[in-house]
Formats: sequence, C-alpha cells, structure tokens
Amino acid sequence: QVTLKESGPGILQPSQTLSLTCTFSGFSLSTYGMGVGWIRQPSGKGLEWLANIWWDDDKYYNPSLKNRLTISKDTSNNQAFLKITNVDTADTATYYCARMGYPGPYVMDAWGQGASVTVSS
Amino acid sequence: DIQMTQSPASLSASLGETVTIECRASEDIYNGLAWYQQKPGKSPQLLIYNANSLHTGVPSRFSGSGSGTQYSLKINSLQSEDVASYFCQQYYNYPYTFGAGTKLELK
Repeated sequence: QVTLKESGPGILQPSQTLSLTCTFSGFSLSTYGMGVGWIRQPSGKGLEWLANIWWDDDKYYNPSLKNRLTISKDTSNNQAFLKITNVDTADTATYYCARMGYPGPYVMDAWGQGASVTVSS
Repeated sequence: DIQMTQSPASLSASLGETVTIECRASEDIYNGLAWYQQKPGKSPQLLIYNANSLHTGVPSRFSGSGSGTQYSLKINSLQSEDVASYFCQQYYNYPYTFGAGTKLELK
C-alpha cells in the first residue's frame, strides 16, 4: 500500500523560507522510474505543479516560481523535500506530494493528504 | 507553457445521467493527459491516465477519450458519490499544467 504524508510549518511570515517534507511508504525513490512531485492548491482554487524529483536525482521545476524552489530527497529514509524561499501571501495554499512513475512514467497515482501553509505577517 | 482549457466550470446533473467534461490543450499533447477527482477537503485521486486508461480500482462508469488537443472525461450513470471537482492535467511537457476544474453537483 502506497502512502504519502506532507509536513510543514503551518504558518510563516513573508520573506521566510518554507520547508516541506514528504514522508512516504510502499515504494522507494531508489527504484528505476519512481519519482515524487509537489503540487499546491490555494483554498477554493485550482492545482499548480511545482517540482519533480526522480530516482536518478533528476529534477524539474516550474519556471513560474523562478529560482525560489529546491527539491531534494533522502532515499534511505523515504523522504522528499521542497523548499520555497522568500514566501509571500500568494504562497498560502495546501501543498501536496504525489508518487510518480506508476502506472505510467509521468502519472501522479497516489497523493498525500496535504499540508496547509499560511503566509501571514 | 501548455494551456489547458477545461469546460464547463460547473455542471449540475441528475442521478443516472451521463455527463461529459472537456479539456482542450493549447498544443498537441499526444495523449499525455490525466483526469483527477477531488472531493471537498480531500486530495485529488487519479481516475484516468494516458487519456483513456482507467486507473486500478476506478469504476468502469468513468472513461476517457480524445487525442491531439481535445480530450474528454465521461461519467455514465451518475452516482451520488461522483459529486466532486474534476481536473485534467497534461504531463506531455514541462511544466505540467492543470485545467481550472469542473465542479459537478447533483440536480
């Protein structure tokens, strides 16, 4: 059974760095073809893909967030991480992580429950 | 970026009815398309991938079709548990992009 769970600070102030952790089970990021993606959703709005990391440490970012994103992984502990620098109120959202690579190469088949993040002074 | 235009934004239908949601890509995405269902307060759930492949465990009343730039999700014999928002997503090219969503309600 594949499970993912996001964790984060809950609330932070503008200009701070948001650090998110995705802890997963049921698959390994050292397995060929596996990946983890991060997606966010402001309350009542649509979904925005942020970044992916793959089993071979290949990384892709959404250019709309320019150079504010950093994705990484800890294969031994089944975790993936996302950092967003210089946050502002527009970064307030629920942040999801999702498994990628099954049943198709780029499909997000299992999602975490989401971590709510509020940016407020 | 590939723009995904989803329609309608909202839809009201009766139990047992067939509903169709459309998604148009701004360029050919070669069937690199998924459909997700999201119920209030829950995370999205994969329904369809590669435009027309039904994900494991998804009821067969859901189906996907299309090619090129035009894709659709069909729900046959609408059930009460299908009340949700539905999103299309292209993964043919980075950055991955989503449609704005369709909110499906019961009439």
